[in-house]
Amino acid sequence: DAKTTQPNSMESNEEEPVHLPCNHSTISGTDYIHWYRQLPSQGPEYVIHGLTSNVNNRMASLAIAEDRKSSTLILHRATLRDAAVYYCILKYNTDKLIFGTGTRLQVFP
Amino acid sequence: EPEVTQTPSHQVTQMGQEVILRCVPISNHLYFYWYRQILGQKVEFLVSFYNNEISEKSEIFDDQFSVERPDGSNFTLKIRSTKLEDSAMYFCATRILQGTNTEAFFGQGTRLTVV
Repeated sequence: DAKTTQPNSMESNEEEPVHLPCNHSTISGTDYIHWYRQLPSQGPEYVIHGLTSNVNNRMASLAIAEDRKSSTLILHRATLRDAAVYYCILKYNTDKLIFGTGTRLQVFP
Repeated sequence: EPEVTQTPSHQVTQMGQEVILRCVPISNHLYFYWYRQILGQKVEFLVSFYNNEISEKSEIFDDQFSVERPDGSNFTLKIRSTKLEDSAMYFCATRILQGTNTEAFFGQGTRLTVV
């Protein structure tokens, strides 16, 4: 599985946008980029995924670089409930999710 | 919103005892998974299950572990003889379709404590 690199932690203030980066320089052409998050004491939760084009859903936006070697998860207005560990995961031809250590996002009121 | 349900939420067991962790998948989902997370560590894949067979398993999933879907609804993980190092959160996940372009839904987990 191709490797991803994320900052260990990030901070944000409530109601501000948050940009969570992920580097995946060894991504292959068929790897999907998935984002999950894990709120404290809960199971992982799907956030968004994409292949080449930018994607939007009710939770977040995913901006994918043109060369696909990096991506950014965008939370448009952070809330306290968005405090979680965010995982960027590449998936190709496999059902399983390989979790890294992710980025721990702290949100301050 | 449909959800994956896991029981019990917390299980304490003595070393060497058998435990069964239960999961009720989302009703039309066909692919089932178990993951575990030791306190303070990464979420780790254990096993995937489809059509009443194991599709893939990790090195962690040794002969002490087994999975089954005995009644077409519950999906269970059995640990035959628990060890202290089996203490972890165990998460069940389900997916409607196989593949890289679908999302997995996770349950809230069972915290297993082996004493």
